Amino acid sequence: EDQVTQSPEALRLQEGESSSLNCSYTVSGLRGLFWYRQDPGKGPEFLFTLYSAGEEKEKERLKATLTKKESFLHITAPKPEDSATYLCAVQGGSTLGRLYFGRGTQLTVWP
Amino acid sequence: DAGVIQSPRHEVTEMGQEVTLRCKPISGHDYLFWYRQTMMRGLELLIYFNNNVPIDDSGMPEDRFSAKMPNASFSTLKIQPSEPRDSAVYFCASSPGMNTEAFFGQGTRLTVV
Repeated sequence: EDQVTQSPEALRLQEGESSSLNCSYTVSGLRGLFWYRQDPGKGPEFLFTLYSAGEEKEKERLKATLTKKESFLHITAPKPEDSATYLCAVQGGSTLGRLYFGRGTQLTVWP
Repeated sequence: DAGVIQSPRHEVTEMGQEVTLRCKPISGHDYLFWYRQTMMRGLELLIYFNNNVPIDDSGMPEDRFSAKMPNASFSTLKIQPSEPRDSAVYFCASSPGMNTEAFFGQGTRLTVV
């Protein structure tokens, strides 16, 4: 049973070409939605937490938004250093504290 | 704080051997998580602790896997006996509270031959 689905699986952008990554979830009683960035050979690095529909968070070229069923990670004018796998995770359901991760979107930004 | 510290970074072992992975969480964090990451299944939660007590171990694949947290600053994940299908990257993470972000270590890449 998939509780977190990310799309697309892979995305290639030219430097400066803005786009969005999607994370849809089905967990009941959402307690939090988290975005992480993972570089090859490293652990996931925390980016944002969103708690309620309508909430938005920004950091440099990244902006995360949340609705009742999905979240978007908008990337504005990306640079090659933004290349990474972006992971979405949700916390909720019957088991307190458990995080359910999506499979991630592998982003490549070429110059 | 140096962040979550895991050791070793890489481990190569023969099938049937015992493997122990170690984790030092961020000081003051009450939650500790063990994850496994593979290409096929992505990031999977194996077990998590709250205040050193195991809360949910439903993700532990088999009895060959066990985890302990003897104190607030140390946890181990043990596989005995190890099998080739256990090959993966194992991550430890910690968080300060229930609905807060988790901070991950650099992972241990385990290869069982």
